[in-house]
Amino acid sequence: SYELTQPPSVSVSPGQTARITCSGDALPNQYAYWYQQKPGQAPVLVIYRDSEKPSGIPERFSGSISGTTVTLTISGAQAEDEADYYCQSTDSSGLHVVFGGGTKLTVL
Amino acid sequence: QVQLVQSGAEVKKPGASVKVSCKASGYTFTTYGISWVRQAPGQGLEWMGWINIDNGNTDYAQKFQGRVTMTRDTSSSTVYMELRTLTSDDTAVYYCARSRLQSDYWGQGTLVTVSS
Repeated sequence: SYELTQPPSVSVSPGQTARITCSGDALPNQYAYWYQQKPGQAPVLVIYRDSEKPSGIPERFSGSISGTTVTLTISGAQAEDEADYYCQSTDSSGLHVVFGGGTKLTVL
Repeated sequence: QVQLVQSGAEVKKPGASVKVSCKASGYTFTTYGISWVRQAPGQGLEWMGWINIDNGNTDYAQKFQGRVTMTRDTSSSTVYMELRTLTSDDTAVYYCARSRLQSDYWGQGTLVTVSS
């Protein structure tokens, strides 16, 4: 079955740039989506279609793609950005939706 | 404003079934499908499947095929997810979310606990 691979954890100091990657063979042909989830809360969509941003998401969040890897970048990470982040996409057929395993972002 | 409001927490015994509801408001119900995503304690998100509200067609993750049924009631703008033959591994928070991908609105989650 298709898998999206994320690092389990990423740590940055406040004000630094955090980069969270997500790798999958079908990513060059299928859009990726990113969700932020804080403890006890439902996920929030922060990036769609690789690099588009929903209204209300801070400017410091951005998305990009290079080959089979998509990256969520938080420029000038803040303490409030500390959360779990999940990528989502489909396999090459577009039929099977999957989430990455999630990355815990620590800002300290 | 768009809202997805889910039914309350459930406690079930192994082998039983559970049916969770998700009531939508604030948008035209038939315009967007509804996905179901679950999260076991301390674990990641797991996509279970999706229902096309317009025609009722469903798409289930292979893992849940034969054990899950998603339905909708357009008269009450409510979607239902039934999971059968529960085991302790099904203990999780179950979320409904608008759309198959690019889920911009989520329900508050429903905790389903499977315990003897």
